[in-house]
Amino acid sequence: RKEVEQDPGPFNVPEGATVAFNCTYSNSASQSFFWYRQDCRKEPKLLMSVYSSGNEDGRFTAQLNRASQYISLLIRDSKLSDSATYLCVGYSSASKIIFGSGTRLSIRP
Amino acid sequence: EPEVTQTPSHQVTQMGQEVILRCVPISNHLYFYWYRQILGQKVEFLVSFYNNEISEKSEIFDDQFSVERPDGSNFTLKIRSTKLEDSAMYFCASSEKGLLVEKLFFGSGTQLSVL
Repeated sequence: RKEVEQDPGPFNVPEGATVAFNCTYSNSASQSFFWYRQDCRKEPKLLMSVYSSGNEDGRFTAQLNRASQYISLLIRDSKLSDSATYLCVGYSSASKIIFGSGTRLSIRP
Repeated sequence: EPEVTQTPSHQVTQMGQEVILRCVPISNHLYFYWYRQILGQKVEFLVSFYNNEISEKSEIFDDQFSVERPDGSNFTLKIRSTKLEDSAMYFCASSEKGLLVEKLFFGSGTQLSVL
């Protein structure tokens, strides 16, 4: 299993829809994960952190499921500006920062 | 808001040429990183640098790559003899504390095209 693996995407949803995607991880000892947003040809930008209690920030909710070793990102009332690639980031067993390959999200009018 | 700056934003070079990618980390940061992202692929770790030496490097970071902090502000990545497969976006990042993703700030990247 890859250290951090994401839903392949792309997700294409209408504006206003709720969309969710997952990221699985192999390092069972890992305590913290992160969702980054990356726009085309731009640098990754931290969207939110995910700890054991999950995290909610406005329309975005991230949760951690330790039993099944995955994290999720839920976007409610999606906006056109949410179109981007969402990167799951965690720590490897060697404590290196590992990026997932990203899930492309496209919001259509 | 402080930011990591990278120059140039685009670099085109011929195969076999040397290139130097430049980064100015945030001034009070102590940990510096280079990542690369080949078009359509994931962000990959290249190297981390702390206290004027490499603290960790990936298998991608072979003898063709080197990093340097020539003065108190710049952090450079040199590729000695570029190959076609070195074409990628190269991101510099810095952090005040190592290995804390929340404290990791990325530059806007240098797009390297090797012809």
